Amino acid sequence: QVQLVQSGAEVKMPQSSVNVSCKTFGGTLGTRGISWVRQAPGQGLEWMGGIIPIIGSTNYAQSFQDRVTMTLDESTNTAYMELTSLTSDDTAVYYCVRVRDLLRTWGPFDIWGQGTMVTVSS
Amino acid sequence: EIVLTQSPSTLPLSPGEGATLSCRASQNLGNNYLAWYQQKPGQAPRLLIHGASRRATDIPDRFSGSGSGTDFTLTISRLEPEDFAVYYCQHYGSSSRLIFGGGTKVDIK
Repeated sequence: QVQLVQSGAEVKMPQSSVNVSCKTFGGTLGTRGISWVRQAPGQGLEWMGGIIPIIGSTNYAQSFQDRVTMTLDESTNTAYMELTSLTSDDTAVYYCVRVRDLLRTWGPFDIWGQGTMVTVSS
Repeated sequence: EIVLTQSPSTLPLSPGEGATLSCRASQNLGNNYLAWYQQKPGQAPRLLIHGASRRATDIPDRFSGSGSGTDFTLTISRLEPEDFAVYYCQHYGSSSRLIFGGGTKVDIK
């Protein structure tokens, strides 16, 4: 049973950056993409973008295009999401998710990490 | 830009009752790339339905999805205590068309 395990909670200053990791246990990603979804406190879900293993192709949501970088270390089955120029609006739980469909960053998300709380505060 | 509108925002029901949740798209989704998720407090969402009507792995058959075009429905035939949660629909047409609805909270009446 594949599991996604994320790094711990972070508290960041405004204008700084955060890097969240997501390690796959119980299997490999193969050709299934990893996407990132965030959820502000009490709010809904927002897709940020994703990356496809092997080919390394990324797709970013337009609202994050200039501030997000998603990478994969296939030797350790770990995905990373870096978000820069943080503001209080970036305070949220960040989830890594596995895409059900092969070779896509979009699709139904069939496996979710436990979430990483990122708090941006001075 | 496609918008997904879920209704109602809150649905107060009792265990054993049936639930009907609506997800309406502002444009025809064409390919029925529509999923439903369940989220309980403090937990990550869980995939219930994909392709508008296909149950995900290990999802009980009291959950069913239907619809096409612009109107989609998640039906829970008989609510179990563990079904009280927030439900989100999602369209995943492409990397530029991946959006979530605002959610419906199924509450205990």
